[in-house]
Amino acid sequence: QVQLVESGGGVVQPGRSLRLSCAASGFTFSDYGLHWVRQAPGKGLEWVAVISYDGSNKYYADSVKGRVTISRDNSKNTLYLQMNSLRAEDTAVYYCAKEAYGVAAFDIWGQGTVVTVSS
Amino acid sequence: QSALTQPASVSGSPGQSITISCTGTSSDVGFSYYLSWYQQHPGKAPKLMIYHVSKRPSGVSNRFSGSKSGNTASLTISGLQAEDEANYYCSSYTSSKTVFGGGTKVTVL
Repeated sequence: QVQLVESGGGVVQPGRSLRLSCAASGFTFSDYGLHWVRQAPGKGLEWVAVISYDGSNKYYADSVKGRVTISRDNSKNTLYLQMNSLRAEDTAVYYCAKEAYGVAAFDIWGQGTVVTVSS
Repeated sequence: QSALTQPASVSGSPGQSITISCTGTSSDVGFSYYLSWYQQHPGKAPKLMIYHVSKRPSGVSNRFSGSKSGNTASLTISGLQAEDEANYYCSSYTSSKTVFGGGTKVTVL
């Protein structure tokens, strides 16, 4: 079945780095744009970043721009999010999401991976 | 981009209809055709309920409908059921970026 599975979350100290992964299955990975969306504890959804189907275009939310890099490996059906200079306010559940073709909406979501930034 | 504005909570009795508003600006909601709504139950990932303002993905109940007027999008749930109790988020896609609303908690009385 169509599935996204995130991994790589954990507890990290402020200022350190972390790389999240999102493994996809059940669809042609290289055909779709992919996003990262996060949700701080008890808060709403916040869009983080998007990467085009071929990796040629990437866009970021202002809150993470310069500290985060989205990338993908179409040969491995895997999406990544490299997060540097982490701050307490980056503490959240991080979801990867597949963009439905041509509709700019997220039709498939992973289960999320928890990132906690704390000393 | 600033978050879109949604009411914090909306409630209704079983069988009733409720409407959740999502207000933005002429640069996002008013400009974009790419307006979506998501349902999220506690501890679960969001689920796409509406895209392109008013279209339903396969498998989503026709009790859910979307619309837009000016800078405000709306999600209406008719025939409210206990399982509809959840948080709902609107989103707008413009200039290659997505912005979400703050979320609305729907309570079924």
